[in-house]
Amino acid sequence: DTEVTQTPKHLVMGMTNKKSLKCEQHMGHRAMYWYKQKAKKPPELMFVYSYEKLSINESVPSRFSPECPNSSLLNLHLHALQPEDSALYLCASSQDGRGWVSPLHFGNGTRLTVT
Amino acid sequence: AQTVTQSQPEMSVQEAETVTLSCTYDTSENNYYLFWYKQPPSRQMILVIRQEAYKQQNATENRFSVNFQKAAKSFSLKISDSQLGDTAMYFCAFTGLSGAGSYQLTFGKGTKLSVIP
Repeated sequence: DTEVTQTPKHLVMGMTNKKSLKCEQHMGHRAMYWYKQKAKKPPELMFVYSYEKLSINESVPSRFSPECPNSSLLNLHLHALQPEDSALYLCASSQDGRGWVSPLHFGNGTRLTVT
Repeated sequence: AQTVTQSQPEMSVQEAETVTLSCTYDTSENNYYLFWYKQPPSRQMILVIRQEAYKQQNATENRFSVNFQKAAKSFSLKISDSQLGDTAMYFCAFTGLSGAGSYQLTFGKGTKLSVIP
């Protein structure tokens, strides 16, 4: 069982739709991450929240908008996506922002398909 | 910039046998951590093992152990007594302790391991 819960598991959306991905953890972790993973590729970091503040934005297009309402929740709002944005979106958390001290715990991901 | 190289895109091993996955990395940092993550078909990335660069002793976790050669910048993963549940994609990863990259994991491209009954 994963301690990081992502919903939905699968999402199909049109290029004009607005949708949100959700991530939740109850381990008391204070850092949360969004990764994008294309098929047969390693995950690519998108955003990092540390103590509920955005600390890293890896030059991600504005059609992806992260939100961290509280220390347990992380959202990724999607708008006007392109077909090339289809991928597995992984959420992760760690005890703090020092990823080397407290390893990342990943969720099972949301498989996103943009049509 | 750090790079992580996994030269074996795919490997297979017979159940109960031992297999070694290779990983090399390049960095100018002296203090860092190395990781092996496993991603089975369930998609969840799971930490297998972690090595601190300043520790000479190789990390072990049950059937998983590493051969860490700091001078050679090599970090291989040995899986003993392979089990069907070990079938997964294995990613080697690096985190430096300084600079803007300290939040980030740099991943290798992965090795797909198949355990054959």
